[in-house]
Amino acid sequence: GNSVTQMEGPVTLSEEAFLTINCTYTATGYPSLFWYVQYPGEGLQLLLKATKADDKGSNKGFEATYRKETTSFHLEKGSVQVSDSAVYFCAQGGGADGLTFGKGTHLIIQP
Amino acid sequence: DAMVIQNPRYQVTQFGKPVTLSCSQTLNHNVMYWYQQKSSQAPKLLFHYYDKDFNNEADTPDNFQSRRPNTSFCFLDIRSPGLGDAAMYLCATSRSGVNTEAFFGQGTRLTVV
Repeated sequence: GNSVTQMEGPVTLSEEAFLTINCTYTATGYPSLFWYVQYPGEGLQLLLKATKADDKGSNKGFEATYRKETTSFHLEKGSVQVSDSAVYFCAQGGGADGLTFGKGTHLIIQP
Repeated sequence: DAMVIQNPRYQVTQFGKPVTLSCSQTLNHNVMYWYQQKSSQAPKLLFHYYDKDFNNEADTPDNFQSRRPNTSFCFLDIRSPGLGDAAMYLCATSRSGVNTEAFFGQGTRLTVV
């Protein structure tokens, strides 16, 4: 079946460090790929998405590129801020079938 | 402006006492979902409505039911909550179509005592 695997956390970085959170997926066909962010006590917010191979999603300085050859959708940011501290979920699918999420990566940014 | 609204944000219920969580949306999306998220885990899809058509995930316990009286509202009913049902419950909506993104509410944190 479809699945999403992402690096387990917590990931702790200093402010202004470079961030990479790895995500790989298994699926039949070519699903859309998403990154959602969850702040403490809140629901999930869409951070970015990509709908086909080689698409790059970007938002708020975060980027991820849909790599069909490696079935990956790694999240990157060049310079993180304390306010980026949250849990990040990689997901695939969408539409009427819903989303399949990874287990989430807790990101902690220290000043 | 809130587009997917869940009430209440926090709900405490007694073991075995039926409880209903509510969700409303202003997006006029025809698909609505309920996810269960336990502590430090990924959200897990319980069921969804495509318009009025109800779609249950194969491993969703019978204890969980849902109602969608109209496009805007969807309810999650837990008939006899157990301690293991304590979780964050997330409502989401999306347009129909392949691979469209979901919009989430802020969630309801359910505690069972």
